[in-house]
Formats: sequence, structure tokens, C-alpha cells
Amino acid sequence: GEDVEQSLFLSVREGDSSVINCTYTDSSSTYLYWYKQEPGAGLQLLTYIFSNMDMKQDQRLTVLLNKKDKHLSLRIADTQTGDSAIYFCAESNQGGKLIFGQGTELSVKP
Amino acid sequence: NAGVTQTPKFQVLKTGQSMTLQCAQDMNHEYMSWYRQDPGMGLRLIHYSVGAGITDQGEVPNGYNVSRSTTEDFPLRLLSAAPSQTSVYFCATSQTGTRISEQYFGPGTRLTVT
Repeated sequence: GEDVEQSLFLSVREGDSSVINCTYTDSSSTYLYWYKQEPGAGLQLLTYIFSNMDMKQDQRLTVLLNKKDKHLSLRIADTQTGDSAIYFCAESNQGGKLIFGQGTELSVKP
Repeated sequence: NAGVTQTPKFQVLKTGQSMTLQCAQDMNHEYMSWYRQDPGMGLRLIHYSVGAGITDQGEVPNGYNVSRSTTEDFPLRLLSAAPSQTSVYFCATSQTGTRISEQYFGPGTRLTVT
């Protein structure tokens, strides 16, 4: 079945770049997503990428997709303390159901 | 426009008790779904609905029932709560179930079963 894997923790210093990685198994995935969850809140869509794209940039966020290796990454430039959250990678299968990774907890130290 | 609302925010149940988690949306979205979030396991789909009168099972449906009598509401029922159902539950909606459609999440219900 489909599976999405992420490392559980990442710690960076304020001002550095953060790179959160994700691997998935479903080669038929068409869209891949990054969601952000702040403490005590639901998930908020940050960005998504279509599988025929290699890269998508949106302000401080850069998404890279290596479809051959089924590897997705999210780079946050100039990471701020407000970026501290859990980041979920997800891929959608038929019918739009989302398969989520375990989430990566990003801790930004001043 | 309240978006997606969930009630209650917190609930403690004893094993064997029943309860209903409420989810309501005012965005006229067709697609609604329930997820549970457990530490280190991400979000897992419990049940989903592509429109009023239509429901289907997700990845972890056992122990949960749903119904969709209106577009706005999608309640999740626990008929006989078990400690394994201790979790945070999120309701999500989207315009359609299509792959590009953004899902909007409610704030969650934190359930503890003792």
C-alpha cells in the first residue's frame, strides 16, 4: 500500500535554512503536499506540487521533487521562530484521499 | 463564515461509553473526512464522504460510524469507546475530493478514553 515517511525531528538556528525531507512509495501519486501544524491547531496547507514539476518556489518556501527516487523536500529559507511547528508531507491517491507522513517537528532556536 | 468547526474540543470517556464528535462546515464543500492523529503516526483516515448520503471507509474505520444526512454536518460516532481510541480527531473538508483541492482542517477534538 501507499506509505509516506519523514524523519521525526529537526532543529535549526534562527536565520538558517531548514530542509525537511519526505519519501513516498506510490508511483501513481499526482500531487504532493506540505502541511503545517502549529501547537493545538489543525493542519494548514503550505504548498503543493504536481508530479510533473521538479521545483516550486513560494517566497521563503522551495519544494523539490525527485520523482525517480520518490523524494520530496521542503526548504524554508531564513527560518524564524514562528516557523516552529510540525510539518506533514502528504500524497493524494484516487478520490483525493490524503496519505500523510508521520510529521517532522521543526524546532527553531534563537 | 466559520469554516470548519468541531465540538467538543476536549472529552474524557470511560471504556464502553459512547459519544458523537461533531463536525460542521459552512463552505458548501462536498467532501468531508475524519482523521485521527497519534504521536509518530501522522494522520490516518477513518471515514470520508463525497457528498450527502454517501460515506466510505478509510484506513482505520473499525470502532467508528459516520453518517452524512446534510452537506454541512459529518458526525463521527464511537459506539463503545476503547483506550486505543485515545487520540486527537480532525475533521477536514474540501470543495471536491479531487487531488488538487485544498483540504481545510478543523481545530481538532482531543479524546481520552480511560
